[in-house]
Amino acid sequence: DVKVTQSSRYLVKRTGEKVFLECVQDMDHENMFWYRQDPGLGLRLIYFSYDVKMKEKGDIPEGYSVSREKKERFSLILESASTNQTSMYLCASTPTGGSYEQYFGPGTRLTVT
Amino acid sequence: AQSVSQHNHHVILSEAASLELGCNYSYGGTVNLFWYVQYPGQHLQLLLKYFSGDPLVKGIKGFEAEFIKSKFSFNLRKPSVQWSDTAEYFCAVKLGRDDKIIFGKGTRLHILP
Repeated sequence: DVKVTQSSRYLVKRTGEKVFLECVQDMDHENMFWYRQDPGLGLRLIYFSYDVKMKEKGDIPEGYSVSREKKERFSLILESASTNQTSMYLCASTPTGGSYEQYFGPGTRLTVT
Repeated sequence: AQSVSQHNHHVILSEAASLELGCNYSYGGTVNLFWYVQYPGQHLQLLLKYFSGDPLVKGIKGFEAEFIKSKFSFNLRKPSVQWSDTAEYFCAVKLGRDDKIIFGKGTRLHILP
């Protein structure tokens, strides 16, 4: 089974802190994604990566950056956390070609106070 | 801009009722279509997908969806729902050769026992 893990299920940070969210997948997938999920807004794409050291902005990249130094790991960075970044963050991976099914991690619920 | 619309934000049904959740997308080219489900406290998982061929697609747990190209629609159906179908359902579309997937805002389904 494909497994996507995220470093924390729950995280509480203060405004202005730098926050790192880690995601690891074990199926050698090329593509990895970071979404945020908010009630009534569905999933919105923050950033995605289709290869090591490659990244593309999604629909809402402002206030975020990403890092992909190894194929299995994709990190989301909040440079200076703000209260409007309180949300559920979901990581997903998918292989290039084939079914394009996205495999999701369990999510990290981040609260910024 | 391309988008995915889910018509119902919140649906409440009694057990054994029939279900149809609407999904429309705005894109004139080739699409791959998905329905994902998120049960309470669980991560998002694939319910069913359409790539090509028979426009009527069957998924897990008795769900099916029909791709109607002329209507840009991919509605999800189940003839008789169960209490365990209580979840949030997301329609998603992959556009052409893009690696990104666009998600709808989700439909919360609540089944009364």
